[in-house]
Amino acid sequence: SAVISQKPSRDICQRGTSLTIQCQVDSQVTMMFWYRQQPGQSLTLIATANQGSEATYESGFVIDKFPISRPNLTFSTLTVSNMSPEDSSIYLCSVAGQNTDTQYFGPGTRLTVL
Amino acid sequence: AQKITQTQPGMFVQEKEAVTLDCTYDTSDQSYGLFWYKQPSSGEMIFLIYQGSYDEQNATEGRYSLNFQKARKSANLVISASQLGDSAMYFCAMRLDYKLSFGAGTTVTVRA
Repeated sequence: SAVISQKPSRDICQRGTSLTIQCQVDSQVTMMFWYRQQPGQSLTLIATANQGSEATYESGFVIDKFPISRPNLTFSTLTVSNMSPEDSSIYLCSVAGQNTDTQYFGPGTRLTVL
Repeated sequence: AQKITQTQPGMFVQEKEAVTLDCTYDTSDQSYGLFWYKQPSSGEMIFLIYQGSYDEQNATEGRYSLNFQKARKSANLVISASQLGDSAMYFCAMRLDYKLSFGAGTTVTVRA
């Protein structure tokens, strides 16, 4: 199984600022994703992080608000820009395993925006 | 659009007993995958079990088994011999093109 780490594990930020979340995987993976979990809610896919090209965003999410980088097959960053209290959520990185029957998540970044 | 439905917001189960968590899904695709994850209060998502749409046998992983009824589009999770550490939120998810869609989740509380 893939081992995924995220930094930071949690943060408290002021509105109007930006936070960059890092996701590191211990092996090369093709498919890498970012999810958001708002308080008391389920998970929603933000985007697919593509290596060597722009991320693919889901409906309701835009690059200006959630810019994503994927410089190689083991690393990605998600930036939450111009934050507001509505951005307070857990942000999770996810990777598809080598076998189609697996998909793993990082430990998550718990963000609070004041 | 695909949809995952978990109708049980919360459940209580006695320690050492079995509990069944319901999940139904809706898709017109023939090829898809069904996952169950456990989310304790720490927030991490722990992969429990997977069922492929073409798998004829129900998946099992230790105390977890998935009751897959394709015609009814249901993928219920059975946890046998519940333990106090099983208390958590449980999410059912369907994967299409490597993208996961999640149900609303079911909170399980195991009583001693």
